[in-house]
Amino acid sequence: KNEVEQSPQNLTAQEGEFITINCSYSVGISALHWLQQHPGGGIVSLFMLSSGKKKHGRLIATINIQEKHSSLHITASHPRDSAVYICAGHEETSGSRLTFGEGTQLTVNP
Amino acid sequence: DAGVIQSPRHEVTEMGQEVTLRCKPISGHNSLFWYRQTMMRGLELLIYFNNNVPIDDSGMPEDRFSAKMPNASFSTLKIQPSEPRDSAVYFCASSLMSRGTQYFGPGTRLTVL
Repeated sequence: KNEVEQSPQNLTAQEGEFITINCSYSVGISALHWLQQHPGGGIVSLFMLSSGKKKHGRLIATINIQEKHSSLHITASHPRDSAVYICAGHEETSGSRLTFGEGTQLTVNP
Repeated sequence: DAGVIQSPRHEVTEMGQEVTLRCKPISGHNSLFWYRQTMMRGLELLIYFNNNVPIDDSGMPEDRFSAKMPNASFSTLKIQPSEPRDSAVYFCASSLMSRGTQYFGPGTRLTVL
């Protein structure tokens, strides 16, 4: 059982829809990252957060440390948002080691 | 800044050959990470360095893998001898602080025949 679990594994949406990707973790996390991996393979860090909420453009990330849960929201989705979204947590006890979720494949159709 | 630079971008080699992957982190970053990504296992941390010192190499699969960081601007990941199961995309990432935002390189796609 993975210590970081994402849902859904695959998500297809129509352009303009509001999208939510969830991440739950079973270990103590001091901070959580949301990463985006485009079809070409490049990985970009979207957010790093340890509490509350962060917003960047149409992307919003929230985290509830007590409930061990984080969500990534995309408002007014666009086909260029199509990518794999990966959450990863810094475990409290293991320094800089990141534990990765399996990723959510998002496809936004025009 | 040019971002994290990795070379080569693609490598095809035969089983048993030595493979060396290279990474140049973002200038000023003091933490460097090597990851491997496969379809079966997703992203996995292999090793990370802080101030050029290996801190956690528990992800290195076996003795065939070794990594060095001789200075703050260069790191290598070596596989000797390579095996087909080593085929994967290898990413290097760097960060300003050990628990900070990580910036990923474009990756090296390794194919071992």
